Amino acid sequence: NAGVTQTPKFRVLKTGQSMTLLCAQDMNHEYMYWYRQDPGMGLRLIHYSVGEGTTAKGEVPDGYNVSRLKKQNFLLGLESAAPSQTSVYFCASSLKGNTEAFFGQGTRLTVV
Amino acid sequence: AQSVTQLDSQVPVFEEAPVELRCNYSSSVSVYLFWYVQYPNQGLQLLLKYLSGSTLVKGINGFEAEFNKSQTSFHLRKPSVHISDTAEYFCAVSDLKGYGSARQLTFGSGTQLTVLP
Repeated sequence: NAGVTQTPKFRVLKTGQSMTLLCAQDMNHEYMYWYRQDPGMGLRLIHYSVGEGTTAKGEVPDGYNVSRLKKQNFLLGLESAAPSQTSVYFCASSLKGNTEAFFGQGTRLTVV
Repeated sequence: AQSVTQLDSQVPVFEEAPVELRCNYSSSVSVYLFWYVQYPNQGLQLLLKYLSGSTLVKGINGFEAEFNKSQTSFHLRKPSVHISDTAEYFCAVSDLKGYGSARQLTFGSGTQLTVLP
């Protein structure tokens, strides 16, 4: 039962570097999401997708890009990392937009 | 737009005591409501959900929540907590209308429950 798998689990970047976080789900879910979690702020939606080939901005999209070329994968890209992007990133998926969301284990990203 | 307020950021409680974690939401339309739990260094997992029907919802690990439409609340309760319940708890809301952005989950800021021996 893989569910939602995120890679990598940990990463340290230097300011200005780029990277891509990969999220894969094996539940044939239509919706996929990227959240960031910061202390005292809960989870904030970065970008989401309502189906293969579609993406949309969430609450805090600046500095991030996403792609959903295949239904099972949702990639989050940082083009030029900044210390403000130090956070724990969670990917999630759901069958529909208002049904239960299943979460990955998270990626802890530190930008120095 | 919808929003969620978790009134307590930290709740310490002794083992075997009852606990209530408070959640209030605002939305102009009918909603679905969720409680998620996050154990240290893990992702979120669903504790319980309210979609329709009975306003008292039972979840895993002995937790339950009551949907109160007039007070726009969805408080989480457990009659007797264990050390293993120590975790962060998130309330979330999703409205029923529309498509795409109108149906995304909105999370509260979380409540850290610490069960003391």
